Amino acid sequence: NAGVMQNPRHLVRRRGQEARLRCSPMKGHSHVYWYRQLPEEGLKFMVYLQKENIIDESGMPKERFSAEFPKEGPSILRIQQVVRGDSAAYFCASSLTGSGEQYFGPGTRLTVT
Amino acid sequence: AQTVTQSQPEMSVQEAETVTLSCTYDTSESDYYLFWYKQPPSRQMILVIRQEAYKQQNATENRFSVNFQKAAKSFSLKISDSQLGDAAMYFCAIPRDGGSNYKLTFGKGTLLTVNP
Repeated sequence: NAGVMQNPRHLVRRRGQEARLRCSPMKGHSHVYWYRQLPEEGLKFMVYLQKENIIDESGMPKERFSAEFPKEGPSILRIQQVVRGDSAAYFCASSLTGSGEQYFGPGTRLTVT
Repeated sequence: AQTVTQSQPEMSVQEAETVTLSCTYDTSESDYYLFWYKQPPSRQMILVIRQEAYKQQNATENRFSVNFQKAAKSFSLKISDSQLGDAAMYFCAIPRDGGSNYKLTFGKGTLLTVNP
């Protein structure tokens, strides 16, 4: 059973460009979560999605960040007009139920130059 | 708001010995889960062990066990017979809202070094 997949593993963007991070949950999991990890910090919750629905986006910055989890295909975390402060590792996790254990992907390391 | 404190930024242990990583937290919930995650150099987050707050018995997974003190809001991780592969950053986490298990709040982590 494949684990949570994230791609790309590394992404370099210039300031002002868009970053698209993809996450495919574990097979059978319909709950997806995105977290951000700044250097030397723990992970911080960003958003929780189920298929076609955003359940909780209380950790998402108000501007430039958006997330979706369409009926078909991976979940996407989109960052528009990236700035240097967006440089971080972005982790996706999935769970079987909304209260189940979260299994994490390997993360995407975003570097903004 | 939930907070999680890991007071040891770094720890080291000799191979085959035992080490305990500490974690304290603050929550107003009475029923919740607590987690320890491991992040090796590959940066993959791996679930090590889970404790349910309503259970008196401390969770155990092979060489990993917890000492859960609910009244003191303390949740330490004990690693017995340490192995070189245990070297990693260890994060303690609790749900931000006790009624669900998403919105995990993580501590800043403890970097564990295992010396041969």
